[in-house]
Amino acid sequence: DADVTQTPRNRITKTGKRIMLECSQTKGHDRMYWYRQDPGLGLRLIYYSFDVKDINKGEISDGYSVSRQAQAKFSLSLESAIPNQTALYFCATSDSRNLAGGRNEQFFGPGTRLTVL
Amino acid sequence: GESVGLHLPTLSVQEGDNSIINCAYSNSASDYFIWYKQESGKGPQFIIDIRSNMDKRQGQRVTVLLNKTVKHLSLQIAATQPGDSAVYFCAENIGAGGGADGLTFGKGTHLIIQP
Repeated sequence: DADVTQTPRNRITKTGKRIMLECSQTKGHDRMYWYRQDPGLGLRLIYYSFDVKDINKGEISDGYSVSRQAQAKFSLSLESAIPNQTALYFCATSDSRNLAGGRNEQFFGPGTRLTVL
Repeated sequence: GESVGLHLPTLSVQEGDNSIINCAYSNSASDYFIWYKQESGKGPQFIIDIRSNMDKRQGQRVTVLLNKTVKHLSLQIAATQPGDSAVYFCAENIGAGGGADGLTFGKGTHLIIQP
């Protein structure tokens, strides 16, 4: 979805390096999410945020941190990258106003392919 | 732990035929389900969703069926086209009417359309 952008799209780094992945959205959504996808597996939730400065851990938050300083931006950091963090990383957004209708549709960015050597 | 999973990793169908992709879930508290389509090199794209108070929902060429008794979800695609080739994921959510958090995804089914 062009309304959700991720940078960089590809990144190769070395073990121990600090890496930041950026996500920006123009959808005006209040909720943002970071997922990781490994080959042959579905997406797994790392962190999510319901609004600016709100941070919640997901299923696999160890080794990651996030920052939500503005509604449109949600960044994911790997403080000290390790090889098993090699994966596809996806950012997603949703609008809490949809929850009143019992829906939680999430819109995904194009992904960042991260390789840790 | 509780999880969402799929019965088959790969499904091959003839162009023009109907396809059915299945999903089993184990969390009886789940009240909202989504089907996503993921094409190579792209992020998941929303196809259709369904709330737990429904058992069927139709979209354009797609139908989602929910059987809460056996915790089963299916996606039916009518008259499949080459552009339907992709990996399809089911995802579940708890509390979509309130404090919903992230989605829990199944492993995915790769749909291959044969000419």
